Amino acid sequence: KNEVEQSPQNLTAQEGEFITINCSYSVGISALHWLQQHPGGGIVSLFMLSSGKKKHGRLIATINIQEKHSSLHITASHPRDSAVYICAVRETSGSRLTFGEGTQLTVNP
Amino acid sequence: NAGVTQTPKFQVLKTGQSMTLQCAQDMNHNSMYWYRQDPGMGLRLIYYSASEGTTDKGEVPNGYNVSRLNKREFSLRLESAAPSQTSVYFCASSNGGEPYEQYFGPGTRLTVT
Repeated sequence: KNEVEQSPQNLTAQEGEFITINCSYSVGISALHWLQQHPGGGIVSLFMLSSGKKKHGRLIATINIQEKHSSLHITASHPRDSAVYICAVRETSGSRLTFGEGTQLTVNP
Repeated sequence: NAGVTQTPKFQVLKTGQSMTLQCAQDMNHNSMYWYRQDPGMGLRLIYYSASEGTTDKGEVPNGYNVSRLNKREFSLRLESAAPSQTSVYFCASSNGGEPYEQYFGPGTRLTVT
């Protein structure tokens, strides 16, 4: 079993839909990262959080440390949101990240 | 301010050939990382350097060597390439302390035939 599990693996939505991507992890962590990988391959960091909730534009990330679970929400989805979304955790010891396999999101117009 | 740069962007090697992937960052970061990304798998850490002058093995170090040439540059060498090393390679850097955010290069797509 992977230390970081994402669901779903693939997600297709219509423009305007509310989207949720889930991440569960099995180790103790000091922080959880959400990253976005564009079709061209570039990876950018969206959020880093250790508790509660963060919002940036139409993106919202939440984490429940007790349940070892995080969600990434996208409101009013748009075709330009089509990308792979990656969850990664930083364990309590050290600065290394462990990554989930990613969720391929496709938003159709 | 270019962030993290990687060269080359694409490379095709024959089995047994050697090559070095170059990575440089201009953010004065202490820590640098090399990952590989394969279909159906998450990014996996090959080697990392917590600070200039130090390197450590990650999850999948076999078949690779690294050099932290200075604070800016961290290279990854394949001494004798194998088809199993066909992958997309990403370099990343972070300041090594809070907030630990990692910044990624654009990636190198390597094919070994």
